[in-house]
Amino acid sequence: DTGVSQDPRHKITKRGQNVTFRCDPISEHNRLYWYRQTLGQGPEFLTYFQNEAQLEKSRLLSDRFSAERPKGSFSTLEIQRTEQGDSAMYLCASSLKASGKYEQFFGPGTRLTVL
Amino acid sequence: AQKVTQAQTEISVVEKEDVTLDCVYETRDTTYYLFWYKQPPSGELVFLIRRNSFDEQNEISGRYSWNFQKSTSSFNFTITASQVVDSAVYFCALSASRDDKIIFGKGTRLHILP
Repeated sequence: DTGVSQDPRHKITKRGQNVTFRCDPISEHNRLYWYRQTLGQGPEFLTYFQNEAQLEKSRLLSDRFSAERPKGSFSTLEIQRTEQGDSAMYLCASSLKASGKYEQFFGPGTRLTVL
Repeated sequence: AQKVTQAQTEISVVEKEDVTLDCVYETRDTTYYLFWYKQPPSGELVFLIRRNSFDEQNEISGRYSWNFQKSTSSFNFTITASQVVDSAVYFCALSASRDDKIIFGKGTRLHILP
């Protein structure tokens, strides 16, 4: 499978715990994006990387959230001191920034439930 | 500010009927991209189409067609002869040329009844 993969697919945690999600983009894709989708809503942009550089962070990304892409390949999204409002589907996407291409390929998502 | 509005929250049609999903967008950019994505019950977003702001030609792909009108800032999506497998949530989305993040609408849930 050469698509975007995310791990885990589901995570249930108790309020106050820390969680970390991983995203593996399509090989050679230099851009990687994180989105959050709550029930009944469209995905909302959180942050994105070009290679290892984090180029933009949404105001939705509070200081409890941190994302990394240390080697320009996979990325991790960590949420510290989770709150019930963090319950959502976290989507990762990747794209190849070249010649004006903007097609983002999405992974299956990690569904987070905070009890 | 960029915004995408999908006024239809939920639509139900009987199989083989045609259905149009509406999308209205707002942007101050002169160059931008519009998208439609499908999210079936499995949850994964499936890319359907991308149009740039300079190409107003309508596009047809099988039973799917898209009508882009800059004058009304609309990018509507029509499914002809709908099938049960078309049941999903459909998102219209917008991306600026200098900023690749995608702004999604809230989606339209489409039910195709057998």
